[in-house]
Amino acid sequence: EDQVTQSPEALRLQEGESSSLNCSYTVSGLRGLFWYRQDPGKGPEFLFTLYSAGEEKEKERLKATLTKKESFLHITAPKPEDSATYLCAVQAYSGGYQKVTFGTGTKLQVIP
Amino acid sequence: DTGVSQNPRHKITKRGQNVTFRCDPISEHNRLYWYRQTLGQGPEFLTYFQNEAQLEKSRLLSDRFSAERPKGSFSTLEIQRTEQGDSAMYLCASSFLAGQPQHFGDGTRLSIL
Repeated sequence: EDQVTQSPEALRLQEGESSSLNCSYTVSGLRGLFWYRQDPGKGPEFLFTLYSAGEEKEKERLKATLTKKESFLHITAPKPEDSATYLCAVQAYSGGYQKVTFGTGTKLQVIP
Repeated sequence: DTGVSQNPRHKITKRGQNVTFRCDPISEHNRLYWYRQTLGQGPEFLTYFQNEAQLEKSRLLSDRFSAERPKGSFSTLEIQRTEQGDSAMYLCASSFLAGQPQHFGDGTRLSIL
């Protein structure tokens, strides 16, 4: 069964203090790894897709990287508005269907 | 930019009642997904449509749950004889192609009294 584990569960940073979130996965036949941001009471907002080991994507203060076993979401000089829960999800074939499995997320709080 | 729209945003009902939620996907997306999310957890897959065909259902989806997508446009998710354990956020997502990222609505929060 596909598994996605995110760490840490919660992270508190001072504004400007860079850090990384981890997503480790066990899946047969990875078709894609997705990062989402979720604000309280809202649906997940798509950030990045990574398809193969070595791939990197950047958007503003966020950079996502992928290896064969894990992905990192690097946050450079975060601001309070980056506070949210960050979800990682993997997509793989399961009985002819490309199933998406989510981790439980990392809740990030950035303090001014 | 019209994203995925879900209605209602909140639903409060008594145990044993039936409820129905609606999802309007992004217009050019032919794939539509339903998820359930409880506090502190990631979304859990419930079911998936490609156009009007329901192609996959999770083992989590009991017989009390039914979903439809008539004409491959909007979708409805109905829960019959609601139970306390059904309290959750129900999320809808859509995508254009398999392997493309899914775009989510803001969900319907269901509370069972």
